[in-house]
Amino acid sequence: DQQVKQNSPSLSVQEGRISILNCDYTNSMFDYFLWYKKYPAEGPTFLISISSIKDKNEDGRFTVFLNKSAKHLSLHIVPSQPGDSAVYFCAAKLNGNKLVFGAGTILRVKS
Amino acid sequence: EAGVAQSPRYKIIEKRQSVAFWCNPISGHATLYWYQQILGQGPKLLIQFQNNGVVDDSQLPKDRFSAERLKGVDSTLKIQPAKLEDSAVYLCASSPRIRENEKLFFGSGTQLSVL
Repeated sequence: DQQVKQNSPSLSVQEGRISILNCDYTNSMFDYFLWYKKYPAEGPTFLISISSIKDKNEDGRFTVFLNKSAKHLSLHIVPSQPGDSAVYFCAAKLNGNKLVFGAGTILRVKS
Repeated sequence: EAGVAQSPRYKIIEKRQSVAFWCNPISGHATLYWYQQILGQGPKLLIQFQNNGVVDDSQLPKDRFSAERLKGVDSTLKIQPAKLEDSAVYLCASSPRIRENEKLFFGSGTQLSVL
């Protein structure tokens, strides 16, 4: 039962352009959402988060949008840089800080 | 600040053998998590500790997996006996406490291959 889905396994973007990574969820009990970034041979690192009571959160080049009615969130990276090339995981939180992760999207930023 | 330390980095075993992974969380972090990440999937929580007590082990296959966190610091995760489907990266994570919306800090993981 995949409660968090990232339907695009990979995304390729030109340097300087916008990267948009998407995530859908099914459980309406999720109250907090996070994006993690993972480089090869490293563990995931926290990138940005959003509470379910908000629809947007911004941190520098990274913005996360939440559409609760559609059970959809997206991560926008503007402008994209080659160093952003990594696997991006969407995660949703249940009670007790339990995270449910999506399968990840591989982002490649071409210079 | 030192990050979450895990060892070994890689492990190759044959099915039905035993294996153990070790994790040292960030100093002072009360909450420790073990996640299993199978290739092509996202990390899945196996067990969560608060100090040396288990908070959630609902997804831990208890017939073959065991974990402990003695003295509320280091933790070990053991698989006995291993199956082919246990091939995965085992990630350890920690957070300061179990407060709501606390972000997790992950180690680099142990990549297990079961042949």
